[in-house]
Amino acid sequence: NAGVTQTPKFRILKIGQSMTLQCTQDMNHNYMYWYRQDPGMGLKLIYYSVGAGITDKGEVPNGYNVSRSTTEDFPLRLELAAPSQTSVYFCASSYPIGTGNTEAFFGQGTRLTVV
Amino acid sequence: DQQVKQNSPSLSVQEGRISILNCDYTNSMFDYFLWYKKYPAEGPTFLISISSIKDKNEDGRFTVFLNKSAKHLSLHIVPSQPGDSAVYFCAASGADKLIFGTGTRLQVFP
Repeated sequence: NAGVTQTPKFRILKIGQSMTLQCTQDMNHNYMYWYRQDPGMGLKLIYYSVGAGITDKGEVPNGYNVSRSTTEDFPLRLELAAPSQTSVYFCASSYPIGTGNTEAFFGQGTRLTVV
Repeated sequence: DQQVKQNSPSLSVQEGRISILNCDYTNSMFDYFLWYKKYPAEGPTFLISISSIKDKNEDGRFTVFLNKSAKHLSLHIVPSQPGDSAVYFCAASGADKLIFGTGTRLQVFP
């Protein structure tokens, strides 16, 4: 069972470059989320989506963009990479929390370094 | 503006004893609470959850307590085992968002 798959696992970017972090899930979940985890810090919500065509900002959306054209895919776009975006990025998916489905499933993460 | 807070960055407990991890939240819109466990270089994995209409949920060695009036929840692990050593995150769900705390690193020593 694939679950939530993130690519790439590692990436080094130069300042000002752009890239897309890919996330796909095969559990037919409506909800998908992007988080970043800085060293020694918790998980901060960047963007989330409650279904195809619907996205919304989380706690730290600046510098990022998302799209949700299909139920399965939720890519995260960095347009102008900055050193402050050096972090580990996690994608997650779930059914609506608390409706009898009690968890979000996470990918293995993408470690991004901006130099 | 940290809506979900874990004020203890680390906790060290002897094997066989109880581990108590605490979490506070500020937003009354949260109606479901979850605990996740994370090992290095892996994504978080779900541990246990509780609805805001309950005050306790138990699953084997893990029990979560919720005090809505204090906006506080705790995770009890009894007995603690060395394999429980990891970072534990509490999370709160409400209005379609899932917000995580800063994490507590638990170390269980023999």
